[in-house]
Amino acid sequence: SAVISQKPSRDICQRGTSLTIQCQVDSQVTMMFWYRQQPGQSLTLIATANQGSEATYESGFVIDKFPISRPNLTFSTLTVSNMSPEDSSIYLCSVATSINEQFFGPGTRLTVL
Amino acid sequence: SQKIEQNSEALNIQEGKTATLTCNYTNYSPAYLQWYRQDPGRGPVFLLLIRENEKEKRKERLKVTFDTTLKQSLFHITASQPADSATYLCALDRGSTLGRLYFGRGTQLTVWP
Repeated sequence: SAVISQKPSRDICQRGTSLTIQCQVDSQVTMMFWYRQQPGQSLTLIATANQGSEATYESGFVIDKFPISRPNLTFSTLTVSNMSPEDSSIYLCSVATSINEQFFGPGTRLTVL
Repeated sequence: SQKIEQNSEALNIQEGKTATLTCNYTNYSPAYLQWYRQDPGRGPVFLLLIRENEKEKRKERLKVTFDTTLKQSLFHITASQPADSATYLCALDRGSTLGRLYFGRGTQLTVWP
């Protein structure tokens, strides 16, 4: 199994600012994923964070808006840049060690005013 | 684009009854489908996986069926308990990379005594 922690757990930010979310896993994993859960919506995959290479973004998400770092096999960050109220969401980090084992962090609840 | 629908936003049943949740999908043929439980303020927790060539999978009081012709999965909780109250999410693999998933919006299950 994998235990995932995220920081911060929640934040309230002003429009136009940026927030960096940290994700720490208690074991080494090859790939980490960032999801977003907007109010009343399903979880949506933002990107795959690859160690040693650039992140792979899903359709509708771009690096300039959501830069991702993956400095080692247990840690990743997601930055939400130039925020607007539409970015208010829960951001979740996830790892998959097999198709039977996918784990999610507790999420970071972001409110943009 | 991929679309996943879960039968209803909310389901209320009496303790001891069987809860049945539905997940329908379109425009896709997944290799596997997963079910998750999500409690308020927490990330999703993996429950069960069923592959495209499997009809049924069981785990304790949980049963999942998968009909690739109907493009539908049913998730059953037998002998339901108030502790089963949570939001249940279905997820499909996005192909190619382990851990990349499409999610439904979820069904909020309430089991009353």
